[in-house]
Amino acid sequence: GAGVSQTPSNKVTEKGKYVELRCDPISGHTALYWYRQSLGQGPEFLIYFQGTGAADDSGLPNDRFFAVRPEGSVSTLKIQRTERGDSAVYLCASSKWDRGHTDTQYFGPGTRLTVL
Amino acid sequence: LAKTTQPISMDSYEGQEVNITCSHNNIATNDYITWYQQFPSQGPRFIIQGYKTKVTNEVASLFIPADRKSSTLSLPRVSLSDTAVYYCLVGDPGGAGNMLTFGGGTRLMVKP
Repeated sequence: GAGVSQTPSNKVTEKGKYVELRCDPISGHTALYWYRQSLGQGPEFLIYFQGTGAADDSGLPNDRFFAVRPEGSVSTLKIQRTERGDSAVYLCASSKWDRGHTDTQYFGPGTRLTVL
Repeated sequence: LAKTTQPISMDSYEGQEVNITCSHNNIATNDYITWYQQFPSQGPRFIIQGYKTKVTNEVASLFIPADRKSSTLSLPRVSLSDTAVYYCLVGDPGGAGNMLTFGGGTRLMVKP
């Protein structure tokens, strides 16, 4: 079946601009995660959704970052007033997540964001 | 969260068995050990997960000693396409949120 998809695959923007990154999870997966990966490092957790609600946004670096998942499926990560330090690959993952059972996250290919 | 330590890089040759060891001295009772693989320009991909002893699937084997303070990912007869970064993660997959905590990973280079 279809995996996690992310659009765009690449995004180049200028400092101070606003960007939106989209994630389409695997159908039926209730949990959705956003991670950020800088060059040469492992992914870092940003935010987690269970259904429509953000259950944990402790990884968001500051209030310029915001994410929504209004219908419990597609999610959008929004970054306001972008800075050069925001340049990274933004990864989305989804899982069935059922408390009490082991869970596997499936990752999308990521969106490479470059802020000039 | 339990911290993991793994080698930064490893080299191997095609056809060899590769063993990557990960240390996780502070692993908690409910924690599982999970390994992910990441190719360039792709997201991480789940390889294997285990709690204790040995787990084997079509891709790899995972060896976990009784004290669970370390684990070894074993890749049999690697090929060039196994060149990737391998991440060892420790956490409670049944816990709330289950956000993954990645370290720096091990960069495996398979040479012809």
